[in-house]
Amino acid sequence: NAGVMQNPRHLVRRRGQEARLRCSPMKGHSHVYWYRQLPEEGLKFMVYLQKENIIDESGMPKERFSAEFPKEGPSILRIQQVVRGDSAAYFCASSPRLLGTGELFFGEGSRLTVL
Amino acid sequence: SQQGEEDPQALSIQEGENATMNCSYKTSINNLQWYRQNSGRGLVHLILIRSNEREKHSGRLRVTLDTSKKSSSLLITASRAADTASYFCATAGPYNQGGKLIFGQGTELSVKP
Repeated sequence: NAGVMQNPRHLVRRRGQEARLRCSPMKGHSHVYWYRQLPEEGLKFMVYLQKENIIDESGMPKERFSAEFPKEGPSILRIQQVVRGDSAAYFCASSPRLLGTGELFFGEGSRLTVL
Repeated sequence: SQQGEEDPQALSIQEGENATMNCSYKTSINNLQWYRQNSGRGLVHLILIRSNEREKHSGRLRVTLDTSKKSSSLLITASRAADTASYFCATAGPYNQGGKLIFGQGTELSVKP
């Protein structure tokens, strides 16, 4: 059973470009979470999605960031007009049920570098 | 603000010694979890303790939870060089407060052979 798959693992963008990060949850998991980790820091919650629904986006910056989890295909975290401060590791995690009852399964992360 | 605060921020011990990491949180929880992160990798779940539990064991790991003090500790016994990693606590709030896990800043553990 494949784990949570994230790609790309590393992404380099220039200021003003767009970054698209993809996440395929574990088989059978319908809950996806995105977290951001700055160097030497913990993970900051960004958004929680179920298929075709955004459940909690309280951690998403108000502008330039968006996320989706379509009926078919991976979840996408999209960052428009990237700035240097967006450089970070972005982690996706999935769970088979509503959080509060079990663990999260994490991908290896996508490391974004903005030049 | 971040729910979990951990201390120490960094811990360096010799192989064979025990390592204790502490986590404090601010609001009511459904459960508290500990995760491990090796450098450059994703997080791996270690252990979960529910709000009505006080202590839990898994192999060389022992977790305690004190809901009156809003704190938890993770003890790794007989540490090995392979235990070198960052360790994070994470709290899950009550169901009616949404489904997200809130992570602490982490403790960086270095075990010297």
